Amino acid sequence: DGGITQSPKYLFRKEGQNVTLSCEQNLNHDAMYWYRQDPGQGLRLIYYSQIVNDFQKGDIAEGYSVSREKKESFPLTVTSAQKNPTAFYLCASSIDLRAGLGYTFGSGTRLTVV
Amino acid sequence: KQEVTQIPAALSVPEGENLVLNCSFTDSAIYNLQWFRQDPGKGLTSLLLIQSSQREQTSGRLNASLDKSSGRSTLYIAASQPGDSATYLCAVSGGQNFVFGPGTRLSVLP
Repeated sequence: DGGITQSPKYLFRKEGQNVTLSCEQNLNHDAMYWYRQDPGQGLRLIYYSQIVNDFQKGDIAEGYSVSREKKESFPLTVTSAQKNPTAFYLCASSIDLRAGLGYTFGSGTRLTVV
Repeated sequence: KQEVTQIPAALSVPEGENLVLNCSFTDSAIYNLQWFRQDPGKGLTSLLLIQSSQREQTSGRLNASLDKSSGRSTLYIAASQPGDSATYLCAVSGGQNFVFGPGTRLSVLP
């Protein structure tokens, strides 16, 4: 079955550590996205990518980094510069960036700072 | 900057009731609007996508309408069931990325 796989489901980070969240899709979608979700708030866009080797900052990119070396993969690194990283992180993909057709989400990674 | 709000924040209804969820957005120059469902601790599932040229979309017991001029969309759920309990989010796109509302948490009581 086609879909998006996020791993791990739960992740614990110590102060000062960098951690990387995995996102893989087999839908042949061009566009991929990373969102952050905090309680009582809507999803906020961290980074997005329209094609391989290209990505753009979203609304809250500070303290995060991404890469898009393969069409299928869009990993997110939460760096030590992100002061409040505890949140639920969602990866998504769509057929293209503009129309938002075929918008598909992964099941999320819950990151907790310990 | 586009802002999306949803009213009510939470809603609890008995099984079988028809209900309406509301979504408002500040910039009417949108490309399309989507309604999503999110179960606790899970990702989002797309329910309905309305293109800017359309007025409404229907899927089973769900009907979503769009009034661009007033910056509003409604999601109508007919004959609600306990399995409809979830958070419903609307999102609008100006042609590049979606801006999400905070969601309405729906509980349908048996």
